[in-house]
Amino acid sequence: AQRVTQPEKLLSVFKGAPVELKCNYSYSGSPELFWYVQYSRQRLQLLLRHISRESIKGFTADLNKGETSFHLKKPFAQEEDSAMYYCALKAYSGAGSYQLTFGKGTKLSVIP
Amino acid sequence: GAGVSQSPRYKVAKRGQDVALRCDPISGHVSLFWYQQALGQGPEFLTYFQNEAQLDKSGLPSDRFFAERPEGSVSTLKIQRTQQEDSAVYLCASSLADSALPGYNEQFFGPGTRLTVL
Repeated sequence: AQRVTQPEKLLSVFKGAPVELKCNYSYSGSPELFWYVQYSRQRLQLLLRHISRESIKGFTADLNKGETSFHLKKPFAQEEDSAMYYCALKAYSGAGSYQLTFGKGTKLSVIP
Repeated sequence: GAGVSQSPRYKVAKRGQDVALRCDPISGHVSLFWYQQALGQGPEFLTYFQNEAQLDKSGLPSDRFFAERPEGSVSTLKIQRTQQEDSAVYLCASSLADSALPGYNEQFFGPGTRLTVL
């Protein structure tokens, strides 16, 4: 069965410092990975996906199949980055569809 | 346009009561998902609909949980004889395309229903 691990429940950094949110996955097939973000009092929303190789709000994430990781990075943290971040893996469920498996999330707190 | 909406936003039930949670997906979205998010956890998959067909219910924790989407739009998640361990936020998400196919298919989430079972 697939699994997503986010080892840090809480990460605090100072404004302007680099940020790295860790995500490791376990999946026997070809992985498709995402980062979702939930700002305070807002709904869960997609931040970025590995196949697009894009930078959103200054965040990037590279899929490393050798290390089975998909860490989220930003060189200079901003206060508005404070939020809950979830790493998610899209995997075939075996029941006729694909489903998202989420990690437990990391709360990022950017200190002014 | 409007995003995914859910009602009620908050529900308090006494142990043993039945509850019904509603999800209105984005108009025209084929796929609809239900997730359960316990405190301090990430969302966990419950069930998936493609239009009105429930193609995957592998995540439903017990036979007390039942979901339907009879006309391929609005969906209802029903929990019978609620237990304290059912207390969680129930999230609904919809996506435009068929989730039975591989490839990118962004899920848009609703605000969730917070269920508290006393």
